[in-house]
Amino acid sequence: DGGITQSPKYLFRKEGQNVTLSCEQNLNHDAMYWYRQDPGQGLRLIYYSQIVNDFQKGDIAEGYSVSREKKESFPLTVTSAQKNPTAFYLCASAGQMSDTQYFGPGTRLTVL
Amino acid sequence: DQQVKQNSPSLSVQEGRISILNCDYTNSMFDYFLWYKKYPAEGPTFLISISSIKDKNEDGRFTVFLNKSAKHLSLHIVPSQPGDSAVYFCAASAPYGGTSYGKLTFGQGTILTVHP
Repeated sequence: DGGITQSPKYLFRKEGQNVTLSCEQNLNHDAMYWYRQDPGQGLRLIYYSQIVNDFQKGDIAEGYSVSREKKESFPLTVTSAQKNPTAFYLCASAGQMSDTQYFGPGTRLTVL
Repeated sequence: DQQVKQNSPSLSVQEGRISILNCDYTNSMFDYFLWYKKYPAEGPTFLISISSIKDKNEDGRFTVFLNKSAKHLSLHIVPSQPGDSAVYFCAASAPYGGTSYGKLTFGQGTILTVHP
């Protein structure tokens, strides 16, 4: 049963705390992506990785960090430097020679 | 700078009729376009895509049309069903670094409601 998993589904944190969102895929995809969705807006790219041990900033990378130590995993850390961390976070992956990205179910992060 | 725009925030259609969702883009480098469907609190689901070398792509009830000169694409759903009610996002990709792992730029989404 191949796919992309994100955990947890809902996450609550206090202001000033770092939090790490998990993203795992068993599709053997090379590229992985993190997006953020805010109410009434489209998806905005935070970070992406085309290969293990390499990643690039997207359009709104400030206050976020990532790692890509394994092909299957691309965790996103929301740091205390992110001014508006409350949002719906989506992870996606794409196979080699493909522009079609497939998304996980998302994580709703609420910072209190 | 909104490179991909969906100017209609919402669309309401009767069951059985055609739904037409529109999308405009400004970046002439975009060469691949996709439509995603999204339910609340879920990840987007890929629906259909089209390459810039084509002007039409069809998959069952879904057809995407691309007008490169107008930098416009549209998604037609025929016939519309209540289960089609969701948010629809168009997205565009440009060749990046010589690879095919193009970054996707998304529109703001259109909420489609199909009434029984």
